[in-house]
Amino acid sequence: LAKTTQPISMDSYEGQEVNITCSHNNIATNDYITWYQQFPSQGPRFIIQGYKTKVTNEVASLFIPADRKSSTLSLPRVSLSDTAVYYCLVGDLLGGYNKLIFGAGTRLAVHP
Amino acid sequence: GAVVSQHPSWVICKSGTSVKIECRSLDFQATTMFWYRQFPKQSLMLMATSNEGSKATYEQGVEKDKFLINHASLTLSTLTVTSAHPEDSSFYICSAGGRSTGELFFGEGSRLTVL
Repeated sequence: LAKTTQPISMDSYEGQEVNITCSHNNIATNDYITWYQQFPSQGPRFIIQGYKTKVTNEVASLFIPADRKSSTLSLPRVSLSDTAVYYCLVGDLLGGYNKLIFGAGTRLAVHP
Repeated sequence: GAVVSQHPSWVICKSGTSVKIECRSLDFQATTMFWYRQFPKQSLMLMATSNEGSKATYEQGVEKDKFLINHASLTLSTLTVTSAHPEDSSFYICSAGGRSTGELFFGEGSRLTVL
């Protein structure tokens, strides 16, 4: 299972763009990269998933370089409600649901 | 979209009693579900993989006789914390996958407090 490394915490202000980078040096060929958001006392919520290059949805963008050894979650114009813990996970989700191991995550604090 | 629901969302029990937590996939069939526990300010720790119709697979260090998992149908997995003690107090979260999308969905979590 590919191990992930993220910054423990980040601070930002409302309206700014936030980029959270995750390292996954031993990612396997079949692994996808998935980011989850978790608020206190709630289960994680899916944000975005990608395999390579760039993926964008209504809430975030995911940038994955060609070597796939890292990925960057980009949150445009954050608000106070984006204060949460963000987890980067790597796994072969389409291959029979191998278990996902959570790393420490990044605790994002958005300030007024 | 797909939803995974847990019940109860919170429970308080006395030490020595057993508590059952249910995890349901509401609009898809899940042959595999996962159970996590999370202590305050910490990440999710995988406890076990629940397989429909067969025994659960437990992670190292997780007592299978303490945390009983039953996956009796394609939409329901249960976690029973037997003879609960205060150190079992935690936030328990389940997840299940939609096979067509590769996305894992998480329940809302169940907070267990053992007095």
